[in-house]
Amino acid sequence: DAGVTQSPTHLIKTRGQQVTLRCSPISGHKSVSWYQQVLGQGPQFIFQYYEKEERGRGNFPDRFSARQFPNYSSELNVNALLLGDSALYLCASSWLAGTGELFFGEGSRLTVL
Amino acid sequence: EDKVVQSPLSLVVHEGDTVTLNCSYEVTNFRSLLWYKQEKKAPTFLFMLTSSGIEKKSGRLSSILDKKELFSILNITATQTGDSAVYLCAVDGNAGNMLTFGGGTRLMVKP
Repeated sequence: DAGVTQSPTHLIKTRGQQVTLRCSPISGHKSVSWYQQVLGQGPQFIFQYYEKEERGRGNFPDRFSARQFPNYSSELNVNALLLGDSALYLCASSWLAGTGELFFGEGSRLTVL
Repeated sequence: EDKVVQSPLSLVVHEGDTVTLNCSYEVTNFRSLLWYKQEKKAPTFLFMLTSSGIEKKSGRLSSILDKKELFSILNITATQTGDSAVYLCAVDGNAGNMLTFGGGTRLMVKP
């Protein structure tokens, strides 16, 4: 079975641009979460979606948004990019939203110049 | 605000050594504590702990939780070069699976 897949793996943007990151969860998993990991730090929670509804949001500005599709895949959008948005963006899936381990994808490495 | 602190930040050991990684936490509504290993990009799951005093074990790795003192330790015995990685501790202290991670401990095992 395929694990959590994310695209693109690497991308470079300039300040002020917009970016969309994509995630496909493990087959059968209905919950998708997004995390931001700045170099040298632990991942920081951004969003959690379950059954296409937002279940939780971390301490991130409104420039960050996400959605989940009927096939449980998800997109993370970041508008008006800042240099500080440069990070590894990790997607994680789980069968339910409330408990159990999270399975992480390889991440999308975003560099903002 | 939930908080997780890991120590040490990094350590270097030789193959065969035993290491202990520490994780302390503050959460408003504790559900579970999880350990992950991150070698390159994707963190991989090691343990989930929910009850105090019950050791979880997988091969040379083991972990235990103390809910009274609010900490957990991860032990690795007979370390190998393949154990070199960043070890992340996270707590689930809210509505479920919205994890708060610590900064990680970077372990380097030399041959």
